[in-house]
Amino acid sequence: QSALTQPASVSGSPGQSITISCTGTSSDVGGYNYVSWYQQHPGKAPKLMIYEVTNRPSGVSNRFSGSKSGNTASLTISGLQAEDEADYYCSSYTSSSTPWVFGGGTKLTVL
Amino acid sequence: EVQLVESGGGLVQPGGSLRLSCAASGFTFSNYWMSWVRQAPGKGLEWVANIKQDGSEKYYVDSVKGRFTISRDDAKNSLYLQMNSLRAEDTAVYYCVRGRGNYWGQGTLVTVSS
Repeated sequence: QSALTQPASVSGSPGQSITISCTGTSSDVGGYNYVSWYQQHPGKAPKLMIYEVTNRPSGVSNRFSGSKSGNTASLTISGLQAEDEADYYCSSYTSSSTPWVFGGGTKLTVL
Repeated sequence: EVQLVESGGGLVQPGGSLRLSCAASGFTFSNYWMSWVRQAPGKGLEWVANIKQDGSEKYYVDSVKGRFTISRDDAKNSLYLQMNSLRAEDTAVYYCVRGRGNYWGQGTLVTVSS
C-alpha cells in the first residue's frame, strides 16, 4: 500500500479539465511544501510536471497546475489533449524514516 | 544537455548481488543530491535511496535497509547502488534521478529469479 493515496483512474474528453488528488497526512503532504507530480508514458521514464506544490519546470505546458489544501494535493490539467494520456504520480517529502514517498499512480484516459 | 545513463542490471538469483551504476553528464554532479527510484513491472514508482552532495547523508526505504548501499564518486560523475541479498520483490526497473526529480535516466532492469 502506497503512502500517498491517488485515484486509480480518471478520464476526460479533449478540451475538458480534470483534477487528480493525492492524499497524505500531516507528516508528508500537509506538513511540507515539497509535493511533486510526474507524468509517465508507457515504456518511458517519468517526467517532472510540478514541483514544490505549484511550480512548473521550464518547458512544461501551463495547462498543468498544482495546488494543496490540508493533507491533499491536486494536479489539474486543463484543455485536455490526447498526448496527456499517461500515468501520473505524486510524491512528497515525509518526516518518516523514508524521506520521500510516492502515490500509487493515476491512469489518465483521454476519451 | 543533462544525461543520466544507468547500467549494471540483469538477471540474478535470489540471494545474489548486483551493482548498478549511473553515469552523469551535462551538469555539475557534485552539486546535487542523487536518488534511486524503482518500478516493479506493471506497478508504481518507489523511492529507494538518496545521497547528499558530499555523501555525508544517505537514506533508504525500509525494505532495502541493510541490503542496499548507495554511494557516489564525484570525480567520475557517477552514482552507484550496491544491492545484496536480492529478493524476488526487488525485481524492477531502477532509475537514477537528479535532485528533486527534474532529470531521470532511462532505467536499468533488475530481475531476481531462479
